[in-house]
Amino acid sequence: QVQLQESGPGLMKPSQTLSLTCTVSGDSISSGSYYWSWIRQPAGKGLEWIGRIYTRGATNFNPSLKSRVTISVDTSKNQLSLKLSSVTAADSAVYYCARCDYYDSSGLDVWGQGTTVTVSS
Amino acid sequence: DIQMTQSPSSLSASVGDRVTITCRASQSISTYLHWYQQKPGKAPKLLIYSASSLQSGVPSRFSGSGSGTDFTLTISSLQPEDFATYYCQQSYSTPYIFGQGTKLEIK
Repeated sequence: QVQLQESGPGLMKPSQTLSLTCTVSGDSISSGSYYWSWIRQPAGKGLEWIGRIYTRGATNFNPSLKSRVTISVDTSKNQLSLKLSSVTAADSAVYYCARCDYYDSSGLDVWGQGTTVTVSS
Repeated sequence: DIQMTQSPSSLSASVGDRVTITCRASQSISTYLHWYQQKPGKAPKLLIYSASSLQSGVPSRFSGSGSGTDFTLTISSLQPEDFATYYCQQSYSTPYIFGQGTKLEIK
């Protein structure tokens, strides 16, 4: 059974670059045809999709964050990564990674437990 | 971007009640609509995919319907563990957009 585990810095200062990792276990990240997404949720608020990467490298981003986001896959480590530059307090949130099938028909069926990021001076 | 409008934003109900939550898309999304349940401090859990398909392991009291722009999630007989927040999400096109959520509370 595929499991996802996010990891990150926890606390950051404004203007820094956030770097998060999602480690995939139970299967190879490059097996099958999947998109791997990053989603975030500010405390007490709803879900915001950040972007996704296809196993073979194609990416899509939320236009509201596109200029600051990089998503990549490291197949040797079975991980995907998120980088978000120039963070502000508005980027404080729980960040999740999740998987969906290539045809976008199965929903985000596997989620990590989330990692909390707080941006504060 | 496709906008998703979910209603109601909150709902009070009792164990055993039948509950319906609706989600409307700003344009047709065929059946690229999914429903999630989220409990406090936990990641969202997929309940229904492609508008009406029950995710493996999800109790059959959950059901979904709709296509095009209008969708519903129905819980046929509320159980104590169903009190949570529910989100719809479209995957017809990127950016994926979630509804604003429906908080289901105990009456």
